[in-house]
Amino acid sequence: DARVTQTPRHKVTEMGQEVTMRCQPILGHNTVFWYRQTMMQGLELLAYFRNRAPLDDSGMPKDRFSAEMPDATLATLKIQPSEPRDSAVYFCASGLRRMGEQYFGPGTRLTVT
Amino acid sequence: QQQVKQSPQSLIVQKGGIPIINCAYENTAFDYFPWYQQFPGKGPALLIAIRPDVSEKKEGRFTISFNKSAKQFSLHIMDSQPGDSATYFCAASAQGGSEKLVFGKGTKLTVNP
Repeated sequence: DARVTQTPRHKVTEMGQEVTMRCQPILGHNTVFWYRQTMMQGLELLAYFRNRAPLDDSGMPKDRFSAEMPDATLATLKIQPSEPRDSAVYFCASGLRRMGEQYFGPGTRLTVT
Repeated sequence: QQQVKQSPQSLIVQKGGIPIINCAYENTAFDYFPWYQQFPGKGPALLIAIRPDVSEKKEGRFTISFNKSAKQFSLHIMDSQPGDSATYFCAASAQGGSEKLVFGKGTKLTVNP
């Protein structure tokens, strides 16, 4: 049963600390997306990669957020320094370009105090 | 600028009813329109999707109706069940779904027994 995995599932941290979230896309998928979900803004795209190359990171606050794909099986999203307004659920999704469908992971619930 | 407008925000129906959720889009480059279902604490899951070359698509109890000229599409759930209670998101993407999804704000559906 292929699925996107994310770690950690929950993270509580203090303002100013670095946060790293990890995602393992479905094997063989060449496109990876990072989304943020809040009650106020809904689901927002932060960044996405195709074949490990960043295609669009216009949704990310550049001064504190960074996204990378060190290899085809791992995507990371870092926040440094974290702020209370970063509290949200962060989802990773993966897909195949030719298919269109995106498959979401279970999310990382981040709380910054 | 919200590119996909979804309504209503919430919807309550009785078991067996037919809830209808509507979405409207602005960008004429969009050519892939999926619906996602999200249960509390879970990631969004792809439910059904349509491309603009057809006006309707059915999968089980779920039907998408698509009106290209009006730039609108809707989700109908036939014979709704309490297990269908969830938040539903419409979305749109360009280039056949290979590009980023733009999501509506979501509709919280409650199906009463």
